Amino acid sequence: TQLLEQSPQFLSIQEGENLTVYCNSSSVFSSLQWYRQEPGEGPVLLVTVVTGGEVKKLKRLTFQFGDARKDSSLHITAAQPGDTGLYLCAGLKDSNYQLIWGAGTKLIIKP
Amino acid sequence: EAGVVQSPRYKIIEKKQPVAFWCNPISGHNTLYWYLQNLGQGPELLIRYENEEAVDDSQLPKDRFSAERLKGVDSTLKIQPAELGDSAVYLCASSPGNREGTGELFFGEGSRLTVL
Repeated sequence: TQLLEQSPQFLSIQEGENLTVYCNSSSVFSSLQWYRQEPGEGPVLLVTVVTGGEVKKLKRLTFQFGDARKDSSLHITAAQPGDTGLYLCAGLKDSNYQLIWGAGTKLIIKP
Repeated sequence: EAGVVQSPRYKIIEKKQPVAFWCNPISGHNTLYWYLQNLGQGPELLIRYENEEAVDDSQLPKDRFSAERLKGVDSTLKIQPAELGDSAVYLCASSPGNREGTGELFFGEGSRLTVL
């Protein structure tokens, strides 16, 4: 069974704090995507990382792909209430073009 | 450019009744997905189409769920009969389907089903 374990499942912090969300697997992915989903909406793509060791920044969000392309992290600096949402990672298997999803991290940023 | 369109947004039915959901993907997107999502959890794939062919329906409960994508554009997902445990959000997504790409998905807003 191909799993993509995401942690933590739930995180509630104060505005201005930093946080990191992790996605880990024993499988190698050709790419890994991060999505954010707000209540009543579908997930929206934030970023795709492709190369082992790659780091991408999106304003206060920093995404990293592990050297072996088995894991990824999302770091948010100085979190804002607008960052509240469900964060999902999804890894693409090259062998069958199958997308493996993490279970999600529900993030609440309190003002 | 219009995004992925789903309807209805909300549906409330009694158990054992049928229900159908419709999806119109982004124009030109060859790959279409139906996902089930429970509250606060990740999406679970039901079926994936490449054009009009269902290339992955291994997680579709075929005793009560069916799907079709005629002409490789719009798609419908049907449940008959619905059970209480089917209450969830049904998400449709599409992607360009170019296997040389990185497989990003574009999602609709979802159809929230409540079975009473």
